[in-house]
Amino acid sequence: SQTIHQWPATLVQPVGSPLSLECTVEGTSNPNLYWYRQAAGRGLQLLFYSVGIGQISSEVPQNLSASRPQDRQFILSSKKLLLSDSGFYLCAWSVLWGTRSYGYTFGSGTRLTVV
Amino acid sequence: GQQVMQIPQYQHVQEGEDFTTYCNSSTTLSNIQWYKQRPGGHPVFLIQLVKSGEVKKQKRLTFQFGEAKKNSSLHITATQTTDVGTYFCAAPPGSTLGRLYFGRGTQLTVWP
Repeated sequence: SQTIHQWPATLVQPVGSPLSLECTVEGTSNPNLYWYRQAAGRGLQLLFYSVGIGQISSEVPQNLSASRPQDRQFILSSKKLLLSDSGFYLCAWSVLWGTRSYGYTFGSGTRLTVV
Repeated sequence: GQQVMQIPQYQHVQEGEDFTTYCNSSTTLSNIQWYKQRPGGHPVFLIQLVKSGEVKKQKRLTFQFGEAKKNSSLHITATQTTDVGTYFCAAPPGSTLGRLYFGRGTQLTVWP
């Protein structure tokens, strides 16, 4: 069965520090991978998505970046965190079959607080 | 990104009452998906609707996709405390597959 792992669950980082969040998927090949951010009590904002190794599309200009060094690994990074980067970061995967896409499977998320 | 408007933002009901959340788009949607996020948790996929006028049921949950494929609704009959959470609709931009843009969600509170 397919599983998605995301860590850490909680993170408190000072302003200006770097960030690296990792997400890995098991049990599927060539998934679409996504990073979303959810501010407290708000909806989900798509940050990055990837359809393959090394292929990253950015949705929102910001000081975050993403990389996909392996088929089932997706990394979210920042060189210098801002207070506004605080939020709940969610990794998700989906698979496309021909012209049909199916529901996302989300990881358990990382709650990031920048202080 | 594509705008998917969702209302209401909050809904408080007594246990046993019904609940409905609505999603609207100004453009025709290829499909619409619904997710539930429990407090402190992550979104969980509930269902995908693809066909015009489609209606699907999952126990007490009824999902509808409008004839024009521009709106959708989720209706819960006789809510229970286990229904508490935020319900999101989500849709892909235009005919592009893969990406999903989420509505802002409806946060449901159920009083016992």
